[in-house]
Amino acid sequence: AQSVTQLDSHVSVSEGTPVLLRCNYSSSYSPSLFWYVQHPNKGLQLLLKYTSAATLVKGINGFEAEFKKSETSFHLTKPSAHMSDAAEYFCVVSDPNRGQFYFGTGTSLTVIP
Amino acid sequence: DAGITQSPRHKVTETGTPVTLRCHQTENHRYMYWYRQDPGHGLRLIHYSYGVKDTDKGEVSDGYSVSRSKTEDFLLTLESATSSQTSVYFCAISRAKGGNEQFFGPGTRLTVL
Repeated sequence: AQSVTQLDSHVSVSEGTPVLLRCNYSSSYSPSLFWYVQHPNKGLQLLLKYTSAATLVKGINGFEAEFKKSETSFHLTKPSAHMSDAAEYFCVVSDPNRGQFYFGTGTSLTVIP
Repeated sequence: DAGITQSPRHKVTETGTPVTLRCHQTENHRYMYWYRQDPGHGLRLIHYSYGVKDTDKGEVSDGYSVSRSKTEDFLLTLESATSSQTSVYFCAISRAKGGNEQFFGPGTRLTVL
């Protein structure tokens, strides 16, 4: 079975400081993993995805994530937070055989000026 | 942006009335999904479709039905709306299962009084 745990429901950082949003997954298969961002009252936008190629994945807007199989983690990072990064972030794992996706409960990122 | 539209974007209805939400795509993607988003729960899968007339239940399918008579359209019906179905509903599409990402529509905000 596939599942995702986002370890922090809320994260606050100061503008210009690093961002770390944590995600652990459980999967019976070699997983495909995704991070999505949702700005207030908007739909979800793909930040990046991992599909068994390079373990360090670069996404849009300076975000990246590292797949660590031994730790079953896929944490999202950014070196320097910007005010526009304030949003809800979702970690997602897919079931490769059924075409289903499993969402974490989300992490709300606040960026303090 | 992927060509996904949802209609209506906002709806207020009364308990016991039927409601149909429509998702329309112009990408010719095989997979289509309906999710609901509620605070503290992330996105939860209601139903999904893996082809015309091929659908399956998700984790929160009770009280919902779906139909897909054309590749481009996926309808979600609440046969008799209840207040617990007040939520934001998102449609998503995916080209195939496995490592392919989902693209999301803008969402429909449904209020059941």
